[in-house]
Amino acid sequence: SALTQPRSVSGSPGQSITISCTGTSSDVGAYNYVSWYQQHPGKAPKLIIFDVNKRPSGVPDRFSGSKSANTATLTISGLQVEDEADYHCCSYTGAYTYVVFGGGTKLTVL
Amino acid sequence: EVQLVQSGAEVIKPGESLKISCKTSGFSFTSFWIGWVRQMPGKGLEWMGVIFPDDSDTRYNPSFQGQVTISADKSVNTAYLQWSNLKASDTAMYFCARLDGTLYTPLVDWGQGTLVTVSS
Repeated sequence: SALTQPRSVSGSPGQSITISCTGTSSDVGAYNYVSWYQQHPGKAPKLIIFDVNKRPSGVPDRFSGSKSANTATLTISGLQVEDEADYHCCSYTGAYTYVVFGGGTKLTVL
Repeated sequence: EVQLVQSGAEVIKPGESLKISCKTSGFSFTSFWIGWVRQMPGKGLEWMGVIFPDDSDTRYNPSFQGQVTISADKSVNTAYLQWSNLKASDTAMYFCARLDGTLYTPLVDWGQGTLVTVSS
């Protein structure tokens, strides 16, 4: 089943926020293959974190990822207005279901 | 530059069939898995399945197995997603994306999405 994310989070410009992504010992807890995607309204998702804590080229270091047991966390520091978007976590689950996403979290920058 | 360009929006009646496409360029089409992701209105992303175009090895999310068919044509560097009997519940945005390597790698490049609306 889908990974569990909060429906929404909010913060002010300059603040830091975290978004949790809770799975099980069969997905998040079993593999270091957690990724995060940013999606602005009407746009395609964009990869911002992979392998738990790695950033693709061009993604600001304000975005960071971590994992503890069955929960992965995305942290965005120094919030900017353009960070307002939906954020989706994703984990590899092995050779049957392969990949599972979270339900998505809407970030509002107040 | 890597590009995945998807076919345009579709409005289809229940029970009809449909095939949407994802034309790729800027990378070796036969060397990377291509995946399909569904996003129902106002909802999160769902991984549907992937194909390795070199040998057409295809893996499905069990939730979508038997409901859709994923295919690829190496001669035109294009992946496809098709339905034979659409339902109203298939109304969604569908994205194709390129995996960075093996099956556990992330979706690094995305198409712009194809909106499929199933309505009588």
